[in-house]
Amino acid sequence: DAGVIQSPRHEVTEMGQEVTLRCKPISGHDYLFWYRQTMMRGLELLIYFNNNVPIDDSGMPEDRFSAKMPNASFSTLKIQPSEPRDSAVYFCASSWGTSISSYNEQFFGPGTRLTVL
Amino acid sequence: DAKTTQPPSMDCAEGRAANLPCNHSTISGNEYVYWYRQIHSQGPQYIIHGLKNNETNEMASLIITEDRKSSTLILPHATLRDTAVYYCIVRVLPGGGADGLTFGKGTHLIIQP
Repeated sequence: DAGVIQSPRHEVTEMGQEVTLRCKPISGHDYLFWYRQTMMRGLELLIYFNNNVPIDDSGMPEDRFSAKMPNASFSTLKIQPSEPRDSAVYFCASSWGTSISSYNEQFFGPGTRLTVL
Repeated sequence: DAKTTQPPSMDCAEGRAANLPCNHSTISGNEYVYWYRQIHSQGPQYIIHGLKNNETNEMASLIITEDRKSSTLILPHATLRDTAVYYCIVRVLPGGGADGLTFGKGTHLIIQP
């Protein structure tokens, strides 16, 4: 398996523009996570899905952010309109659900480095 | 989730064992200790986890004290490729599901040649 795939790897845009980040999870995984990493705040969870359904979006910073998972092999994170403070590395991760007695690790993608000018 | 405390940075000579400490004095009885690491410009990577017994896998060993208030991640023969930020995370095993990880600031481990 190619692992979690994210695109684009780098994105530079101007303030006010719409930005769409894409993620393809590992085949068969039923959980998908979006994280954001900045120097100031570190790694923080934005939202996660189970079987394509959003379970917890409490980490989404504001209404400018939205995430969708139209099918098991694709998810998007959209920022509209983008602002300079959205500049960060955005990671997507996927995993199987964990049973009572075993832990299924999260596999992270390489990230998308977003710069909003 | 219980709070964890890790030193911000550590050095280790290549080929030696790297011992990374983590304090979690408020850990609950049903909380596990997990370790992830993040190599520069990559996404985090799972290393190991444990409840109260010592654990070992192909990457590392995890030693948890008897009172479970602290733990140590051991990389037995550190290489330059082990230079990374190491995160200690304490949380309940999400049996029957999964949930997001809460990362602290971690320990920046630098392996010296």
